[in-house]
Amino acid sequence: GENVEQHPSTLSVQEGDSAVIKCTYSDSASNYFPWYKQELGKRPQLIIDIRSNVGEKKDQRIAVTLNKTAKHFSLHITETQPEDSAVYFCAASIQGNKLVFGAGTILRVKS
Amino acid sequence: GAVVSQHPSRVICKSGTSVKIECRSLDFQATTMFWYRQFPKKSLMLMATSNEGSKATYEQGVEKDKFLINHASLTLSTLTVTSAHPEDSSFYICSAREYTGELFFGEGSRLTVL
Repeated sequence: GENVEQHPSTLSVQEGDSAVIKCTYSDSASNYFPWYKQELGKRPQLIIDIRSNVGEKKDQRIAVTLNKTAKHFSLHITETQPEDSAVYFCAASIQGNKLVFGAGTILRVKS
Repeated sequence: GAVVSQHPSRVICKSGTSVKIECRSLDFQATTMFWYRQFPKKSLMLMATSNEGSKATYEQGVEKDKFLINHASLTLSTLTVTSAHPEDSSFYICSAREYTGELFFGEGSRLTVL
């Protein structure tokens, strides 16, 4: 089955700097890659997703890149703000099927 | 976006009792819902896939007799933790797939078994 690895487990950045979180997946049939943000005690919220037919997607300060050949995808957050501090999870699935989540990255943005 | 509501948000029970958690899709129909368990500072672990009108599909290592799942309608799935023990204490989260394929999560239910 699918296995998703996520790095780093924790990431501290200064306000205004960029943050990058990387994930790799094992199943080449996976074609849907969402990213979720989870604040303490809250539900995960989808922040961006990408499908295997595109290599990059951007939404304001957030972007995701996908390298199908290498089976890895990354989340890029630019101009980080304190409110970006949260746990971020990547996930992968074969569309319509269950999601497999990465272990999560605790992002701390220091002001 | 679509809304998924989970109830109760917190529950404390005595060891040996059963607890039911509800997951409702409020403004869309969901033929498939998912139940996850999350330990502190850990990722979401898929427990089972709940299919409307049929039996749930459990992940390896999850006891189906321990965690009963019922998806009786297109807007409601329930998870019952039977004969709960302290090791069942956890954060349980459901999600439902909307027609676009996007997954929406419930608020989560924190179960504490004394």
